[in-house]
Amino acid sequence: DAKTTQPNSMESNEEEPVHLPCNHSTISGTDYIHWYRQLPSQGPEYVIHGLTSNVNNRMASLAIAEDRKSSTLILHRATLRDAAVYYCIPFEGGSQGNLIFGKGTKLSVKP
Amino acid sequence: DGGITQSPKYLFRKEGQNVTLSCEQNLNHDAMYWYRQDPGQGLRLIYYSQIVNDFQKGDIAEGYSVSREKKESFPLTVTSAQKNPTAFYLCASTPTGSNQPQHFGDGTRLSIL
Repeated sequence: DAKTTQPNSMESNEEEPVHLPCNHSTISGTDYIHWYRQLPSQGPEYVIHGLTSNVNNRMASLAIAEDRKSSTLILHRATLRDAAVYYCIPFEGGSQGNLIFGKGTKLSVKP
Repeated sequence: DGGITQSPKYLFRKEGQNVTLSCEQNLNHDAMYWYRQDPGQGLRLIYYSQIVNDFQKGDIAEGYSVSREKKESFPLTVTSAQKNPTAFYLCASTPTGSNQPQHFGDGTRLSIL
């Protein structure tokens, strides 16, 4: 399983962009990069995933380095509701299919 | 709306007692998972099931048991053999063999009386 490295915590101001980095230097060629977030006392929520190309959806953008050893989750305008723990997870979705969660990055958003 | 329902939201267990956590999904997903989360930590896999009447142990299965008699349901029993059951338990589901996202319930918080 690929090991990931994320900052323990980050702070942002409301309505400013946030860039959440993740290193996954041992990622395999078939692993997608998934991002989830978890609000306090709730289950994780899927945010976005990608393989090689940058990806956009209504929640965020995902920028993937050309060598795939790192990626960055981009929240274009942080809101107070974006305060959560963000997890970066390389994931093949193979026979077992479970996600391996690290400790993630705790994002705080200041008004 | 489709989703995953976990119940109860809070559960208390006495010493020596077995308790069962419910997980139901109406997403028509084949695979279901149980995770445990301790404070300040990530999720750890307890059991998973990819098809009805079949399930496999995850990384921390000792002291837990599951059944998968119906596609929609994957209950988790925390037995008296689990010596440190206090945790936040999360159930998830996904279509089998795909790279699709997992959908999670809102969790059950189990405490010892």
